[in-house]
Amino acid sequence: DAGITQSPRHKVTETGTPVTLRCHQTENHRYMYWYRQDPGHGLRLIHYSYGVKDTDKGEVSDGYSVSRSKTEDFLLTLESATSSQTSVYFCAISETVGGSYNEQFFGPGTRLTVL
Amino acid sequence: QQQVKQSPQSLIVQKGGISIINCAYENTAFDYFPWYQQFPGKGPALLIAIRPDVSEKKEGRFTISFNKSAKQFSLHIMDSQPGDSATYFCAASKYGQNFVFGPGTRLSVLP
Repeated sequence: DAGITQSPRHKVTETGTPVTLRCHQTENHRYMYWYRQDPGHGLRLIHYSYGVKDTDKGEVSDGYSVSRSKTEDFLLTLESATSSQTSVYFCAISETVGGSYNEQFFGPGTRLTVL
Repeated sequence: QQQVKQSPQSLIVQKGGISIINCAYENTAFDYFPWYQQFPGKGPALLIAIRPDVSEKKEGRFTISFNKSAKQFSLHIMDSQPGDSATYFCAASKYGQNFVFGPGTRLSVLP
């Protein structure tokens, strides 16, 4: 398995509280991604990063923010969690070498429940 | 423009049979088409991928067929095994970034 860890793996929180999910990689890959997975929707991109301090929005970015202060860490923050953000969150990493696409490696996921 | 459609939603196949999952995309700028396999409680893992300059790619029992003019691609699993039971996602991306995923197909292979 690629060296990707996510923490926490499970979290239950209440509506209105802030939540931060962490993705940590040991592969030194440039690109990092946050997805959410919901039944019937596959994986949807929330935010991605193409380098330290370089981030951009994905398809479903409303209500989420990210930060990347080090190559190895990518944080996803829900400023004020809502029940619609109950989901499984996956971090992924990838690298592009010499114009050749490398695969995305996914972390084990974080199951977040917002009550 | 960014959507990837996938069918069927679920599939039941007998052991030894052929499993076929289909995907269609809209954005002609997509240039990389991977398939991911996901087991319960795990993250997706790359199974096989293709680029639009070839019409077919085979790796073991898994084959991608690609039809650029129809903007469709499919996954064929030959000699399906119970261990293949998982959820399969097709995806598309431009320059190997910002992947768009299909909604997934849950495959069950009966022993």
